[in-house]
Amino acid sequence: AQKVTQAQTEISVVEKEDVTLDCVYETRDTTYYLFWYKQPPSGELVFLIRRNSFDEQNEISGRYSWNFQKSTSSFNFTITASQVVDSAVYFCALSGNYGGSQGNLIFGKGTKLSVKP
Amino acid sequence: EAGVVQSPRYKIIEKKQPVAFWCNPISGHNTLYWYRQNLGQGPELLIRYENEEAVDDSQLPKDRFSAERLKGVDSTLKIQPAELGDSAVYLCASSPGWRGAGENTGELFFGEGSRLTVL
Repeated sequence: AQKVTQAQTEISVVEKEDVTLDCVYETRDTTYYLFWYKQPPSGELVFLIRRNSFDEQNEISGRYSWNFQKSTSSFNFTITASQVVDSAVYFCALSGNYGGSQGNLIFGKGTKLSVKP
Repeated sequence: EAGVVQSPRYKIIEKKQPVAFWCNPISGHNTLYWYRQNLGQGPELLIRYENEEAVDDSQLPKDRFSAERLKGVDSTLKIQPAELGDSAVYLCASSPGWRGAGENTGELFFGEGSRLTVL
C-alpha cells in the first residue's frame, strides 16, 4: 500500500527563518513520483515540484529546496529566509507509474506553515 | 490561459438533499480528477477520467455519488442524498495526460474547490 506521512501538523516561524517540512513515504513500486503542493488560504492547490524515484539529485529553486533520500524514504522541503507569503498548507504526495495508478496522487495530511512578520 | 473552473464555490444544504458540482478543466487536458478534501486532511481521489471514460472510480461511494464527463470536457459530480459526513471541499483537477509509455507528468492543475456543508 502507498502512504505519505507528514508528521508536522503545524509549524510557526518568524520571517527570514529557514524552515524544513518533513515527508516520509511508503511504496512497493520501484518507479514512483513524489510531489509537493502548496495550498494557500484561497484553497487552490499549486504544484511546486515533481521528482521521480530514479533521480535523487537535490533541487533548488530560488528560496525553495528539496532533499530526496531514497534510503530513508524521505522527500523533505526547505524554505530559506521564509516570508509571510509562504504561509499556507503544504502537501507532500506520491503516485505510482503503472496500470491505472498513473496520476492518482496519494496525499499526506499536510503541514500548516505560519510565517509571522 | 484559464485555469480549472469549479462551481459553486460554496453550497449549504440539509441532509438528504441532492447537490451537484460542476468542473470545467483546462482546455486540451484529457485527464480529469475529482478529489475530496476533509477538514485538516489531504485530498483523496474519488474518480479519474481519461477523456470521457472513468478509468478509476474505486474510491467513489457509488450508492450516493455519481459522476459524468460527457464529451470528455466538463464534468459533474452529484451526491444524492447528501449525508452529514459528506461535508468537505470537492476539488477538481486536470492534467494533459500521458506523454508516452511510462511517462507520468504528474502535474495536476487544481480548481479552487467547492465547499459543501451538510446540516
